[in-house]
Amino acid sequence: RKEVEQDPGPFNVPEGATVAFNCTYSNSASQSFFWYRQDCRKEPKLLMSVYSSGNEDGRFTAQLNRASQYISLLIRDSKLSDSATYLCVVNHYSGNTPLVFGKGTRLSVIA
Amino acid sequence: DAGITQSPRHKVTETGTPVTLRCHQTENHRYMYWYRQDPGHGLRLIHYSYGVKDTDKGEVSDGYSVSRSKTEDFLLTLESATSSQTSVYFCAISGGRGEDNYGYTFGSGTRLTVV
Repeated sequence: RKEVEQDPGPFNVPEGATVAFNCTYSNSASQSFFWYRQDCRKEPKLLMSVYSSGNEDGRFTAQLNRASQYISLLIRDSKLSDSATYLCVVNHYSGNTPLVFGKGTRLSVIA
Repeated sequence: DAGITQSPRHKVTETGTPVTLRCHQTENHRYMYWYRQDPGHGLRLIHYSYGVKDTDKGEVSDGYSVSRSKTEDFLLTLESATSSQTSVYFCAISGGRGEDNYGYTFGSGTRLTVV
C-alpha cells in the first residue's frame, strides 16, 4: 500500500461547482497533514494545513479523520484560477522530519 | 519565494558527467530537503539535512550525494549522471518551531536533462 494515496483525476468541473478531493495515508502515527497546490511547471505551494477539528480558509475546507486515516479538501464555488494539481502531504513523525507527498489530483475548472 | 533560490534553473548534461545543483536560502532555516518529481511518481525524497554537516538519505538516494557546509547552502551532486536522473529537482526548507511542522517552502526547481 502506498504511503499517501490520491485519486489522480483529472477532475473537470464547471465554474461555480463544488469539488472534493480525498486522500488516504497508511501510517496511523502520522502527525501533520497538509494540502499543497502545484501549478503547471511550478513549485508546490502550501495551500493549507489540516487540523483534527477541521479548518476552513475562504472557499477551501479541509477535514481529517484519524480513525479512517483519511483527509479531504473541499473547494466551493470553483474558479478558473483553481485549476492546478492538489497534493496531499503527510508527516509521519513530529517535528521537521521529511514530508511524504501523494502523487496529486489534477483539477481543471472549465468556463 | 525570494527566501529560497535554486541554480541552475535548467541544465542539459551528458551521461557520465558529474552535476551539482545548488539550493540557497536566506531564511536561516535549519532543515533543507532535495526532492525529485517525475510523472507517475510524484515528489520523492533524495536527501535531507537537519543542520550543518548533518544529512540523511531519502528513498531515492542512490547515485546522489549532498553537502551542507553552511546553513544557507545545500548542494546536490549527481556523481555520474544517467538518463534515469532526468527530472525536475526541487529544494525545500522548513523551520517549524519546536515539534510543530509548518510545512515546506519550495524553490522554483531545476529541470535537468541527461542526454
